[in-house]
Amino acid sequence: DGGITQSPKYLFRKEGQNVTLSCEQNLNHDAMYWYRQDPGQGLRLIYYSQIVNDFQKGDIAEGYSVSREKKESFPLTVTSAQKNPTAFYLCASARRANEKLFFGSGTQLSVL
Amino acid sequence: GEDVEQSLFLSVREGDSSVINCTYTDSSSTYLYWYKQEPGAGLQLLTYIFSNMDMKQDQRLTVLLNKKDKHLSLRIADTQTGDSAIYFCAESTRLYNFNKFYFGSGTKLNVKP
Repeated sequence: DGGITQSPKYLFRKEGQNVTLSCEQNLNHDAMYWYRQDPGQGLRLIYYSQIVNDFQKGDIAEGYSVSREKKESFPLTVTSAQKNPTAFYLCASARRANEKLFFGSGTQLSVL
Repeated sequence: GEDVEQSLFLSVREGDSSVINCTYTDSSSTYLYWYKQEPGAGLQLLTYIFSNMDMKQDQRLTVLLNKKDKHLSLRIADTQTGDSAIYFCAESTRLYNFNKFYFGSGTKLNVKP
């Protein structure tokens, strides 16, 4: 089945720890995105990548980092510099950067 | 950034029509979208409309766009309990060589049996 796979479904972070959220897609999409969702709020863009080996900061990039070494993969690292990381994280992809987004099933990150 | 506004809640009875409304501020939007999110899941694209269209119908879904008033609506006919979810309005705007997406806060639709 084609789609976007996010893992893990649930993740817990200890204070001072970096954690990495996985996002893999087999849709052959060029563009990939990371969004953060807080309760009662819309989605906010963290990072996006239009092609391999290129990525750009979104609106709330501070405390996060990404890499795009392969077309299929766009992992997100939540660093210890992100002081309020508890949220639902959504990965999305699009065939090109100007087309509709398709989303993964999300990762819920909580702080211990 | 651009603003996309939605009401937070809507409650309807099974079999009735639901109308979810959205307003946006960017007059240069290219596409407008409706996504559905069930609890603990990602967003599922329901339908979208190009900004030069007024209406789009897809089975039980009807999208109306009033570009002058920057108002978008989603009508769900014969609403079922399985339609209970959060519905997000989104618009995309061309920014240099990239389309940026702006999402509303979501409308929680509750369908009562």
